[in-house]
Amino acid sequence: EAGVAQSPRYKIIEKRQSVAFWCNPISGHATLYWYQQILGQGPKLLIQFQNNGVVDDSQLPKDRFSAERLKGVDSTLKIQPAKLEDSAVYLCASSLSPLRDRGPDTQYFGPGTRLTVL
Amino acid sequence: SQQGEEDPQALSIQEGENATMNCSYKTSINNLQWYRQNSGRGLVHLILIRSNEREKHSGRLRVTLDTSKKSSSLLITASRAADTASYFCATDAPPMIYNQGGKLIFGQGTELSVKP
Repeated sequence: EAGVAQSPRYKIIEKRQSVAFWCNPISGHATLYWYQQILGQGPKLLIQFQNNGVVDDSQLPKDRFSAERLKGVDSTLKIQPAKLEDSAVYLCASSLSPLRDRGPDTQYFGPGTRLTVL
Repeated sequence: SQQGEEDPQALSIQEGENATMNCSYKTSINNLQWYRQNSGRGLVHLILIRSNEREKHSGRLRVTLDTSKKSSSLLITASRAADTASYFCATDAPPMIYNQGGKLIFGQGTELSVKP
């Protein structure tokens, strides 16, 4: 089974530029997550999709970050314009199809995109 | 804000020794999970323990959960150089909404170094 794919793996941009990350979740996984992981910290959830609908974007800086999952499969995360503090690894994860009576789902993570903002 | 806090922040041991990492959290949880992250890579799920469980084993891993103290520990027995990685605990954010994925809140992580 193929894992979660992300591209690019690395990106270096200057502040105020725009950048986009792409994620392809595991086939059949309904839920997709984007996390931001700053060096030395744990991942922080930015946005969660269930199919193509947003479940939680409470921690997404909406003035500069946007994300979409148009057909309920692939997703893109965009930053426009980037700031120095956006330097981090952006992780995408997916999980199967959570139902309360089946309990929690395991999230499967992609390798991440390391963003450096100069 | 981060829910979980790992202790210690860094741990260095010799191959063959046991490694114990602790995690404390602030609010009630549905479950607690441990993840491993090798340098420059994504996270790998290790083990999940539900709030009504006290101990769980998986191979060389042993996880305990004390909901009265809001803490968990991860024990890796007979460590190997390949266990060198960062280890994170993650708690779900209750309540778990029907038909929606669990929102995980990660701690800061423990950086484990196992020397051959």
